[in-house]
Amino acid sequence: ETGVTQTPRHLVMGMTNKKSLKCEQHLGHNAMYWYKQSAKKPLELMFVYNFKEQTENNSVPSRFSPECPNSSHLFLHLHTLQPEDSALYLCASSQARGTEAFFGQGTRLTVV
Amino acid sequence: DQQVKQNSPSLSVQEGRISILNCDYTNSMFDYFLWYKKYPAEGPTFLISISSIKDKNEDGRFTVFLNKSAKHLSLHIVPSQPGDSAVYFCAASALWTDGGQNFVFGPGTRLSVLP
Repeated sequence: ETGVTQTPRHLVMGMTNKKSLKCEQHLGHNAMYWYKQSAKKPLELMFVYNFKEQTENNSVPSRFSPECPNSSHLFLHLHTLQPEDSALYLCASSQARGTEAFFGQGTRLTVV
Repeated sequence: DQQVKQNSPSLSVQEGRISILNCDYTNSMFDYFLWYKKYPAEGPTFLISISSIKDKNEDGRFTVFLNKSAKHLSLHIVPSQPGDSAVYFCAASALWTDGGQNFVFGPGTRLSVLP
C-alpha cells in the first residue's frame, strides 16, 4: 500500500472511445503528477499540479486532458487516442517543496 | 536531450556481492537526487535520496554517493540479495521558484542478482 491509488489497473479502449484514469492520494501531499512509461523509454513527465494549479504541461497532445478537482484527486481524461499512446500511466504525489514522490501502481492502457 | 543518464541498461551481480549502479546528470539546477526500484507492472518504489548539500547517505544495505563536481551519483547495495533484482531508476529534482518541484528520471538499469 503506497498511499497513492490508481484505477483502473488495466484499460483497453478503442480509438474513438472516451475514458478517464483516476488517481487518489491519502498522504496529505499538495503536488500531483502524471507520468507515462512506454516500452524501452524513460519515465516521461506529462503534467504537474501544485496546490491544484497546473504548473507543467510537458508538450502533451490535447487528446490527454488532466483535471485536479482537489489536492487529493487527479484525473486524466482520454479521447481519440492512438495505438502509440498504449503505455503504463503512472500517478505520483509529493509535498510541493518536499522530498520524494510516491507512485501509484499505474494503469496499463492499451489502445486498439 | 536526456538530463539524467544511466549508461548501463543492465547489470548482473552474484548474491552477497556489492551492486553499484551509476547515474549522471547534466542540469546543475538539480539539487535533490533519488533512487527508485521498479518491478514489472508496478509503480516505482522510493528507495533512498540525497540532497545536494551532502555527499553520502546510507540506509541499511543501500548507500547513495553524490559527486557534484562530476555531476555523478551512484547507488551501492551491500550485500546484494536475489530480491533486489528489479529495474532501478535514478531521478533528479529541482525546486521551482513558485514552490513546486519536478522529477526527471533516467532510463533505468536492470539489476539481476544471481543466487
